[in-house]
Amino acid sequence: DTGVSQDPRHKITKRGQNVTFRCDPISEHNRLYWYRQTLGQGPEFLTYFQNEAQLEKSRLLSDRFSAERPKGSFSTLEIQRTEQGDSAMYLCASSLTGGDYEQYFGPGTRLTVT
Amino acid sequence: SQQGEEDPQALSIQEGENATMNCSYKTSINNLQWYRQNSGRGLVHLILIRSNEREKHSGRLRVTLDTSKKSSSLLITASRAADTASYFCATDAFDDYKLSFGAGTTVTVRA
Repeated sequence: DTGVSQDPRHKITKRGQNVTFRCDPISEHNRLYWYRQTLGQGPEFLTYFQNEAQLEKSRLLSDRFSAERPKGSFSTLEIQRTEQGDSAMYLCASSLTGGDYEQYFGPGTRLTVT
Repeated sequence: SQQGEEDPQALSIQEGENATMNCSYKTSINNLQWYRQNSGRGLVHLILIRSNEREKHSGRLRVTLDTSKKSSSLLITASRAADTASYFCATDAFDDYKLSFGAGTTVTVRA
């Protein structure tokens, strides 16, 4: 049983550049979530998908952020025109459908915007 | 926004001692989950407790939930150096599957 994987694990980019992260969930999980975590804080919800449908987006997800899950399998999170405030760990999680299932997290992508 | 709040923020104990940390939350929940995070790494799921449960055990972990006080506790018994990590509680609400996390408790286990 492979867990949630994320790629890349680290990304350093210059302010103003676009970046894209990928998440591969656990294969039988149809829910996929993105969270952002800054130093010393707990993760904060960004968005989630059920299959290919994006069902909820946080106010944290400005119009520079877009997420997709085109075939209900892997997902991508793109940040356009990155800002220094985007520096954070971006975490992906997946779960089964239903109210009482655990969310399993990937190792995260650490983004540094210089 | 952060729904949960862990207490204490940091805890330092000797190997073999027990570690207890608490989590308080603000609104009604469906489930409460505890996670562990080693420095700079992803979150590892520890245990899920449902709102109609009061206590749950998993190995050296014991979790309690008091919905009347909107609080939960995580007890790690016979701590080991490998338990050194940050511990987070996370809640979800009925028909709302996103998790709301607290800021975490950092636990250091001294050899």
